[in-house]
Amino acid sequence: AQKVTQAQTEISVVEKEDVTLDCVYETRDTTYYLFWYKQPPSGELVFLIRRNSFDEQNEISGRYSWNFQKSTSSFNFTITASQVVDSAVYFCALSEAQRGSTLGRLYFGRGTQLTVWP
Amino acid sequence: DSGVTQTPKHLITATGQRVTLRCSPRSGDLSVYWYQQSLDQGLQFLIQYYNGEERAKGNILERFSAQQFPDLHSELNLSSLELGDSALYFCASSVAKTGGAGYTDTQYFGPGTRLTVL
Repeated sequence: AQKVTQAQTEISVVEKEDVTLDCVYETRDTTYYLFWYKQPPSGELVFLIRRNSFDEQNEISGRYSWNFQKSTSSFNFTITASQVVDSAVYFCALSEAQRGSTLGRLYFGRGTQLTVWP
Repeated sequence: DSGVTQTPKHLITATGQRVTLRCSPRSGDLSVYWYQQSLDQGLQFLIQYYNGEERAKGNILERFSAQQFPDLHSELNLSSLELGDSALYFCASSVAKTGGAGYTDTQYFGPGTRLTVL
């Protein structure tokens, strides 16, 4: 069965600190997809990144970076020089492909509440 | 703005009542997914439709039903409402890529409908 674990329930940092959000996943599928979503206080779910199981390249986008390691089934998210606007709940999610190349359901972790203090 | 719209934004109703939540996917997206977010259960997948047909079912109660119409918008019907049905209901959409390119697909979420059952 698919499962996503975000062991950190809450993290508090002071502005400009770097912070890493952990995500560990379980799946028996050989092809799967990993995601990070951000949920700010306003409540919407904002897509941040998708990573495919056959692409272990790390990715950097501005202050955000993602470290995907199949050997440890982890897909961690680092925010460099955090800002108050980064305060949100961050969700890691896992999906597999369906027939016809449709994206399957998302299995979400319980989320990590990040608070960045000025 | 993800391009996915949901109405209404807020809904307050009484136990035993029936409500309908509406979702319009991004232009061209064929798949619609419904998720429920509650403090107890986190983000849970309810049901998926692809081009008008039910594709996958998750932890959806028998009191809940959904459909996707020819214009691809979807409705989630919740009946015999209970206090425990109070939650944030999200709709997401994605499009199947042809040629086995499901790895490029992503679920984009609407702003959600907050349901309060009194």
